[in-house]
Amino acid sequence: AQKITQTQPGMFVQEKEAVTLDCTYDTSDQSYGLFWYKQPSSGEMIFLIYQGSYDEQNATEGRYSLNFQKARKSANLVISASQLGDSAMYFCAMREGGYNKLIFGAGTRLAVHP
Amino acid sequence: NAGVMQNPRHLVRRRGQEARLRCSPMKGHSHVYWYRQLPEEGLKFMVYLQKENIIDESGMPKERFSAEFPKEGPSILRIQQVVRGDSAAYFCASSPYEPDRAGYTFGSGTRLTVV
Repeated sequence: AQKITQTQPGMFVQEKEAVTLDCTYDTSDQSYGLFWYKQPSSGEMIFLIYQGSYDEQNATEGRYSLNFQKARKSANLVISASQLGDSAMYFCAMREGGYNKLIFGAGTRLAVHP
Repeated sequence: NAGVMQNPRHLVRRRGQEARLRCSPMKGHSHVYWYRQLPEEGLKFMVYLQKENIIDESGMPKERFSAEFPKEGPSILRIQQVVRGDSAAYFCASSPYEPDRAGYTFGSGTRLTVV
């Protein structure tokens, strides 16, 4: 079974609009962490946002927010006011309690149109 | 405050040759992780190391691949007798002993092309 599922291979959004990138996860651990990374065409991995399983508030970092629905095991990334520079691959990842490695989803390619 | 340094950025090898990929973790980070990214795919965990110890190698192919993180010097991912299917981007990440909320710092990756 897939641990991290990103069901949207590609997404389009108009500049200045908001977009939601979906991520669902599968774990039986009570303690885990969820991450989102951005990978632009240059290839580097850029950390965006983190949500701990015990965090009561949804994480926010500037224009990025994480819509964390624990019961549904979803951790969707919301990008507000999209910019052309947001065009990239976006990866959701999970770290399960007791393990330090990250498990990545297949990614969503976001294209922001002017 | 140098981040995670990987070299080379690009590496071309002929089939059957050896590939050595290097990773210097961020200052203060004692844990190193190697991931592989095939074209148009997500990153796949390969191995997790601490100084002089392999902690988790559950993602490493059983043959031809090895990794080390010596007491002194960078971590090395070694691929012997490379084949075309080894062509991929190889990322190294590092973390403190207890990964904090920022988690892991990634290097820029090494793009290996096997011809």
